[in-house]
Amino acid sequence: NAGVTQTPKFRVLKTGQSMTLLCAQDMNHEYMYWYRQDPGMGLRLIHYSVGEGTTAKGEVPDGYNVSRLKKQNFLLGLESAAPSQTSVYFCASRPIVRGNEQYFGPGTRLTVT
Amino acid sequence: DAKTTQPNSMESNEEEPVHLPCNHSTISGTDYIHWYRQLPSQGPEYVIHGLTSNVNNRMASLAIAEDRKSSTLILHRATLRDAAVYYCILRDVRGYQKVTFGTGTKLQVIP
Repeated sequence: NAGVTQTPKFRVLKTGQSMTLLCAQDMNHEYMYWYRQDPGMGLRLIHYSVGEGTTAKGEVPDGYNVSRLKKQNFLLGLESAAPSQTSVYFCASRPIVRGNEQYFGPGTRLTVT
Repeated sequence: DAKTTQPNSMESNEEEPVHLPCNHSTISGTDYIHWYRQLPSQGPEYVIHGLTSNVNNRMASLAIAEDRKSSTLILHRATLRDAAVYYCILRDVRGYQKVTFGTGTKLQVIP
């Protein structure tokens, strides 16, 4: 049981390039989330999904797109990367049980130059 | 969304108890109180959660005020491995997405 895994762990992009971050969970959780964390700030929710085929916007969705084609995977896409998107990105998942905790991945450190 | 307020930082001596406070004066009746911690260079990990009654688990205890407007995470004997940022968050039992992680409390454990 690997829990929540994220690919890649590190990436450097040039401004304007695109990339996709992959989050995978093997716990059969319904809910999945993408957060970003910047120095001196807490985690901010980018997008989330309450089930396969559904996605919704969080606090800071601009510049990102997501897809949840399979229950176990949640993809975060940057179509045209900007330096403001330099951050550490965390994925999390949670079962549908009320009040239950989120399980976080190890993070992806993205630098946009 | 209900907001939480925590001190930016705290210090504790190793093997001493630590009480991490959290204020949530606008908490609603359907909000669970969750605590997470984030060790350096890692993703957050769940610590404990509760609704109204005090809770204990192998990691910590959670003391919830009778009016639920504040709570305290208690680490009974701080170790160096407990040095982390601790987040107090509120999760509405009716919803699934409205969770805001603030800046948390950075706990330093002194040997």
